[in-house]
Amino acid sequence: NAGVTQTPKFQVLKTGQSMTLQCAQDMNHNSMYWYRQDPGMGLRLIYYSASEGTTDKGEVPNGYNVSRLNKREFSLRLESAAPSQTSVYFCASEGKVYEQYFGPGTRLTVT
Amino acid sequence: RKEVEQDPGPFNVPEGATVAFNCTYSNSASQSFFWYRQDCRKEPKLLMSVYSSGNEDGRFTAQLNRASQYISLLIRDSKLSDSATYLCVVLLGGTYKYIFGTGTRLKVLA
Repeated sequence: NAGVTQTPKFQVLKTGQSMTLQCAQDMNHNSMYWYRQDPGMGLRLIYYSASEGTTDKGEVPNGYNVSRLNKREFSLRLESAAPSQTSVYFCASEGKVYEQYFGPGTRLTVT
Repeated sequence: RKEVEQDPGPFNVPEGATVAFNCTYSNSASQSFFWYRQDCRKEPKLLMSVYSSGNEDGRFTAQLNRASQYISLLIRDSKLSDSATYLCVVLLGGTYKYIFGTGTRLKVLA
């Protein structure tokens, strides 16, 4: 039982490049989330998915797109990376009593 | 004003000490409350949910005061392994919106 997995763990991009962050959970949870964490700030929600086939914007969606491919997988895409997107990205899934399970994170640097 | 506020610390305490953290929230629609622990360069992990009547899990006790809109975490008999950042998290009622505090850093000293 791996819980929530994320790939890659680290990534360096040049401004304007694109990439997709992958996330998968094996706990049969319906809801999944993408957050970013920056120094001095709490985790901020980028996108949310209540179930397969549905997604909603969170607090900071600009510059990102998501795909809920199936119940297990929820990917985050940066179409044209900007230095302001340098951050640590966490994927999470939500359990039955609203507890969140986080993946190990992706540390992204955009130069 | 931040929706969830925490003292960033650090709280430096000796092993065996009792330490308490508070967290205040501003939205009265807040429904569910949690404490998460985050180790350096790791993901947050659920420490405990916070119930209206208060709850305890071993050395950890959480309290909720809805009237004053704050939650607290008490750690008794601190261990070196308790050193981490503790995040206060609030879920707004009827939504998927979790509001995270910026965390309180704890260092337990030998």
